[in-house]
Amino acid sequence: RKEVEQDPGPFNVPEGATVAFNCTYSNSASQSFFWYRQDCRKEPKLLMSVYSSGNEDGRFTAQLNRASQYISLLIRDSKLSDSATYLCVVRGSQGNLIFGKGTKLSVKP
Amino acid sequence: NAGVTQTPKFQVLKTGQSMTLQCAQDMNHNSMYWYRQDPGMGLRLIYYSASEGTTDKGEVPNGYNVSRLNKREFSLRLESAAPSQTSVYFCASRENRVYSNQPQHFGDGTRLSIL
Repeated sequence: RKEVEQDPGPFNVPEGATVAFNCTYSNSASQSFFWYRQDCRKEPKLLMSVYSSGNEDGRFTAQLNRASQYISLLIRDSKLSDSATYLCVVRGSQGNLIFGKGTKLSVKP
Repeated sequence: NAGVTQTPKFQVLKTGQSMTLQCAQDMNHNSMYWYRQDPGMGLRLIYYSASEGTTDKGEVPNGYNVSRLNKREFSLRLESAAPSQTSVYFCASRENRVYSNQPQHFGDGTRLSIL
């Protein structure tokens, strides 16, 4: 089993749609979780950390289910500018990041 | 505030050539990391340095060496480049405080092609 697994997509949605990404991780001892965004040929950038109680940042909501080792990201009212690859990330024991392969999102007019 | 700076941004090498990728951060971070990103593979950790003076292997260290020159700089060296090392290389840094949840900050990447 891969350490971090994501649906690769692509997800093609119209503007204004709500889209959800899911991710599972294999190490039950993992403590820190993130969603990063990566635009084509650019570096990954932190979108948001994921906290146990769930957290929201504007149109973005992240959820963590430790029992199921499952992380989700919900994007409401999608914008064209949301088109990117979304990376589910878990911190390893040495502070390094373990990346999923990413889910590609395309928001169409 | 430049953050994490990588040089060069692009490089083409011939098989067997050597080169060093440079990375510097100005955020006074303790930890630094080198990743490679290949199509369909996601980012994979090559080497990391938890603090100045220490380096450790990551998931894919073969064919690479690193040097943590000082707190700011962490270089990645390819001694004898192979076509399998064609990739995009990202350097990252992080403030490594205990019980903290700081994210990593990434450089722009170095696009390396080996012919």
